[in-house]
Amino acid sequence: GAVVSQHPSWVICKSGTSVKIECRSLDFQATTMFWYRQFPKQSLMLMATSNEGSKATYEQGVEKDKFLINHASLTLSTLTVTSAHPEDSSFYICSAELYQETQYFGPGTRLLVL
Amino acid sequence: DQQVKQNSPSLSVQEGRISILNCDYTNSMFDYFLWYKKYPAEGPTFLISISSIKDKNEDGRFTVFLNKSAKHLSLHIVPSQPGDSAVYFCAASARGVNNDMRFGAGTRLTVKP
Repeated sequence: GAVVSQHPSWVICKSGTSVKIECRSLDFQATTMFWYRQFPKQSLMLMATSNEGSKATYEQGVEKDKFLINHASLTLSTLTVTSAHPEDSSFYICSAELYQETQYFGPGTRLLVL
Repeated sequence: DQQVKQNSPSLSVQEGRISILNCDYTNSMFDYFLWYKKYPAEGPTFLISISSIKDKNEDGRFTVFLNKSAKHLSLHIVPSQPGDSAVYFCAASARGVNNDMRFGAGTRLTVKP
């Protein structure tokens, strides 16, 4: 089956630093990748939709200058949390679309900002 | 590795009948399970959950069953409605470890009028 990986699986950083999270589709090409953030009590929030070779589409309320998304190839999308603050501590999940409406989720990245 | 599996990519059901969506997992550390529903062009929305201390949780037309020995859970929708047509993802987490979720690949449910 299709596999999506994320790296790192967890990261601890100091407030004010930037953190890059990678999302890779290992055995298929994904023209579209999605970034989510998991909030307490289960809810997932779609942050942005990333299309290969074009600018990401951000959901309302998500700061595009803070959460930089780059989708440079058909197998890699990156999310960079710039100038991270403790309130950015969360669980970030990506997914890659194999074909329409079929998404494969990555294992997620746990970010802790001190 | 695929720790959460939804082996049926699609399911078609007649309106008014029962929809049963299945999910299997491999990690015995998982102790909390969730179902998400996703409409086109939207992010997944939380539907129902179950803790490993229970084997059933019901919320209106939606019931989730958990069989820990078989590492299997299922979502029942009764009666099914056309508005239930969506992609359903099951997810699992190990709250005693790190609470991070693992998702299945999803099952597309189509409820026909």
